[in-house]
Amino acid sequence: DSGVTQTPKHLITATGQRVTLRCSPRSGDLSVYWYQQSLDQGLQFLIQYYNGEERAKGNILERFSAQQFPDLHSELNLSSLELGDSALYFCASSATGTSADTQYFGPGTRLTVL
Amino acid sequence: TQLLEQSPQFLSIQEGENLTVYCNSSSVFSSLQWYRQEPGEGPVLLVTVVTGGEVKKLKRLTFQFGDARKDSSLHITAAQPGDTGLYLCAGARRQAGTALIFGKGTTLSVSS
Repeated sequence: DSGVTQTPKHLITATGQRVTLRCSPRSGDLSVYWYQQSLDQGLQFLIQYYNGEERAKGNILERFSAQQFPDLHSELNLSSLELGDSALYFCASSATGTSADTQYFGPGTRLTVL
Repeated sequence: TQLLEQSPQFLSIQEGENLTVYCNSSSVFSSLQWYRQEPGEGPVLLVTVVTGGEVKKLKRLTFQFGDARKDSSLHITAAQPGDTGLYLCAGARRQAGTALIFGKGTTLSVSS
């Protein structure tokens, strides 16, 4: 158990819909990262937050957005869903959000878009 | 274009065999990490290597970082069924912030 929690574990929805994925970091960690894992692309970095502020952006689509709240939990919002958005979405957290930090991954949310 | 190339993509071996997984790039990384991921779970960090030429051992696993910090390898001695899983390498580039760049992984299956 990494100490990072993600909900829900599974999500099935239809194209065009909007969903919200939630992540609670390890106790004491200030930084949260979101990754997307698909069979063809592997694990891709989406976005990072540190203490409520966006710190780094990766291959995140404009239809996707995220935020980190004052209690440090984070949400990833996916809208206008397409079939290709079906993937595993992982949240990771680290203490200070620097490159030397260890990132601890949550169990993931499996999103299926039908 | 994948920044970190892992090979082989799939590996199926018998218990007791040795194996090596490679992670290669044309880019320099400030550090490189190896993760193991089991079905339905998130990646779990095995090791971080930060110095060119560094070798780290974790029981039957030996990790090496290339001298130029562009490549790494994971060697498993006497593989066991419990080693089965997806092995991912991930590089950190200081100039790109803190995002990790992952290889696509090597799926290892060890049968008894």
